[in-house]
Amino acid sequence: AQSVTQLDSQVPVFEEAPVELRCNYSSSVSVYLFWYVQYPNQGLQLLLKYLSGSTLVKGINGFEAEFNKSQTSFHLRKPSVHISDTAEYFCAVSKADNFNKFYFGSGTKLNVKP
Amino acid sequence: ETGVTQSPTHLIKTRGQQVTLRCSSQSGHNTVSWYQQALGQGPQFIFQYYREEENGRGNFPPRFSGLQFPNYSSELNVNALELDDSALYLCASSPRDRGNTIYFGEGSWLTVV
Repeated sequence: AQSVTQLDSQVPVFEEAPVELRCNYSSSVSVYLFWYVQYPNQGLQLLLKYLSGSTLVKGINGFEAEFNKSQTSFHLRKPSVHISDTAEYFCAVSKADNFNKFYFGSGTKLNVKP
Repeated sequence: ETGVTQSPTHLIKTRGQQVTLRCSSQSGHNTVSWYQQALGQGPQFIFQYYREEENGRGNFPPRFSGLQFPNYSSELNVNALELDDSALYLCASSPRDRGNTIYFGEGSWLTVV
């Protein structure tokens, strides 16, 4: 079975500071990894995904994530956050044989302060 | 713009009633999954349909059922509504044979009172 753990439920950070949102997963098979962002009262927007290849993945809005197989982690980073990055971020995994079935973490609320 | 449209966007139902939520996907999206996102939680997989057949189910009771139609639209039906069914319901569709391009709708907010 697959599971996703987002270690921080809330992350406060000041504008222009760097941020890291942590995600660990467990799976007995190879998985694909994703980060989604959800703004208040909206659906999910894909930030980035790891399917294979380079372990450093770049996404939209200046976000990037690094896949670490040995630590089963896929942490999301941004070197300098903006107020507009305030949102909830979800890490998710899917299996290669059914990529449309996601297992989501419980989410991390990023609160960017001026 | 994901090309996935869900309706209604918001609705209020009474405990014990039945509800139907709808999702309209892009042409060629023959795989659709439904998720329930309770307040303050991550989305939970309800079930998936592929070519109009159920193709996997999460830990949800049988009163959660679905349909997928040839025109790439789908429905989520919930019978005997309970207060805990209050949540955002998300539809996600993709063309199964072009992997990993998955599109989420904006969701339907269901409140059960």
